[in-house]
Amino acid sequence: DQQVKQNSPSLSVQEGRISILNCDYTNSMFDYFLWYKKYPAEGPTFLISISSIKDKNEDGRFTVFLNKSAKHLSLHIVPSQPGDSAVYFCAASAPRAGTASKLTFGTGTRLQVTL
Amino acid sequence: GAGVSQSPSNKVTEKGKDVELRCDPISGHTALYWYRQRLGQGLEFLIYFQGNSAPDKSGLPSDRFSAERTGESVSTLTIQRTQQEDSAVYLCASSFAGGPGNIQYFGAGTRLSVL
Repeated sequence: DQQVKQNSPSLSVQEGRISILNCDYTNSMFDYFLWYKKYPAEGPTFLISISSIKDKNEDGRFTVFLNKSAKHLSLHIVPSQPGDSAVYFCAASAPRAGTASKLTFGTGTRLQVTL
Repeated sequence: GAGVSQSPSNKVTEKGKDVELRCDPISGHTALYWYRQRLGQGLEFLIYFQGNSAPDKSGLPSDRFSAERTGESVSTLTIQRTQQEDSAVYLCASSFAGGPGNIQYFGAGTRLSVL
């Protein structure tokens, strides 16, 4: 049972354009969401997070949007740069269910930023 | 070192053998996590240690899997009588404390191959 879904395994975007990575979840107890970025042969690194009390969080070129009614979140990267090429994982936790520290991850989206 | 360190980086073993994987968390981090990533899948939570509290073992897939942590330092994940389906990348993470606001920092992982 995949509670966090990233339906696009890969995405190719031209340098300078916007990258939009999508994530859907099914567990209504999830109320804290994170994006991690992973380069080959390295561990995932934290990128940005959002609590369910917000619908948007911005950090430089990265913005995460949360639509609770649709159980959907997205990560926008603008402008995209070649160094952004990596696998992006969406993750969720359920603090209200007492599992604040247990992250549930999606399967990842491989982003390729082309010149 | 400054980051989470895992050893070995690669481990090849024969079916039925026991393996031990090691994780050195970031100094001062009280929380430590183990995850598993099978090919083409997302990260799967295995176990969580927080200080001197009883660990959350809810993600361990079978009683062949166990983990220990010495105080707030090194952790070892042991897999007994390995099976081919245990082949995966095993990732360790640590955070300053447990809970959603505490970013989990990941090591590069141990790639386990069971022949």
